Amino acid sequence: DTGVSQDPRHKITKRGQNVTFRCDPISEHNRLYWYRQTLGQGPEFLTYFQNEAQLEKSRLLSDRFSAERPKGSFSTLEIQRTEQGDSAMYLCAGQDSSYNEQFFGPGTRLTVL
Amino acid sequence: AQKVTQAQTEISVVEKEDVTLDCVYETRDTTYYLFWYKQPPSGELVFLIRRNSFDEQNEISGRYSWNFQKSTSSFNFTITASQVVDSAVYFCALSGYSTLTFGKGTMLLVSP
Repeated sequence: DTGVSQDPRHKITKRGQNVTFRCDPISEHNRLYWYRQTLGQGPEFLTYFQNEAQLEKSRLLSDRFSAERPKGSFSTLEIQRTEQGDSAMYLCAGQDSSYNEQFFGPGTRLTVL
Repeated sequence: AQKVTQAQTEISVVEKEDVTLDCVYETRDTTYYLFWYKQPPSGELVFLIRRNSFDEQNEISGRYSWNFQKSTSSFNFTITASQVVDSAVYFCALSGYSTLTFGKGTMLLVSP
């Protein structure tokens, strides 16, 4: 158990709806990362925070995606006007100030119908 | 840009066989880190090992061993005496000081 939790674990939505996912790392994780994993592929980086500051965003993160980490603890990832291509596993990872390994949560599996 | 190649898509072995998972990477950074993660059917990524670019010493942890060769940009992973519980997708990954770049993974199937 990495101590990183994600909610919900599964989300089914209709195309065009908005969805929001939450990630709760442990308190020592001053960095928090979001990745997306599609079937048969490795995770791909979306964005990351150091404390509450969003330091980097991938070009994969279209304008429909927004992420926040308001108090430097939990983070949310929102997708507006979902498309079928957004169907994937969304993974969150925490990293402490030693900047060594990233510890992943169980992921949120999104299905867009 | 960073790139990780895992040429083996799927490997099937019988229990107790040794198996090696290959990983080749590309980076222009002089300081970088290499990782292996395991993703069992449950889906959660499990950290296995981290290596920095200045440490080419091979490492052994129980039935697992890792061979880092900077000259060939490879970081291979060997499981000795494989077990059914080793069945999973294994990812090799590369990072600088922040984001991870993953390979596409190798699915390992260990049959009894």
